Amino acid sequence: EAGVAQSPRYKIIEKRQSVAFWCNPISGHATLYWYQQILGQGPKLLIQFQNNGVVDDSQLPKDRFSAERLKGVDSTLKIQPAKLEDSAVYLCASSNSASFHEQFFGPGTRLTVL
Amino acid sequence: DQQVKQNSPSLSVQEGRISILNCDYTNSMFDYFLWYKKYPAEGPTFLISISSIKDKNEDGRFTVFLNKSAKHLSLHIVPSQPGDSAVYFCAASQSAGGTSYGKLTFGQGTILTVHP
Repeated sequence: EAGVAQSPRYKIIEKRQSVAFWCNPISGHATLYWYQQILGQGPKLLIQFQNNGVVDDSQLPKDRFSAERLKGVDSTLKIQPAKLEDSAVYLCASSNSASFHEQFFGPGTRLTVL
Repeated sequence: DQQVKQNSPSLSVQEGRISILNCDYTNSMFDYFLWYKKYPAEGPTFLISISSIKDKNEDGRFTVFLNKSAKHLSLHIVPSQPGDSAVYFCAASQSAGGTSYGKLTFGQGTILTVHP
């Protein structure tokens, strides 16, 4: 079974620029999550999708972050414009309805904002 | 407000000995707890979990203990191996439904180093 795929793996941008991350979850997984992990901290949930609907985006900074999940499969997370404090690893995870709690994570995208 | 805390940033253990990683939580609505392991440049991988209806769950060398009254859980690794060296995250979730269903709240992580 293929795992969660993410791209790019690394991205360096200057502040005020835009960036987008892509995630392809495990086939058949209805629930998709985006997490932000700042160095020295645990992952923090940004947004949770169930199929292509948003379940929870309470911690997503909506003035600069946006996410979508078209057709209930792939997802993109965008930051526009980026700030220095957005430097972090962005993790995508997915889970199936039979095992909601056990989320499978991709390798993450390490973003550096200069 | 940090609802899940791992107060030890790091732990160093000799190969073959026991590793004990601790986690405390404050939200009494949490009823499902997980441990994830993370190697550098990889995403976290699920290790073991426990429901609040149990106080112990074992899987090979890994055992998780839950003390609901103290809002405390621990992960025991026996015997520890050098390949266990990684960052370990404790996570908590609630099953009661609503928008929090399935949402994981993570601790800060503990770096475990197992010396040969």
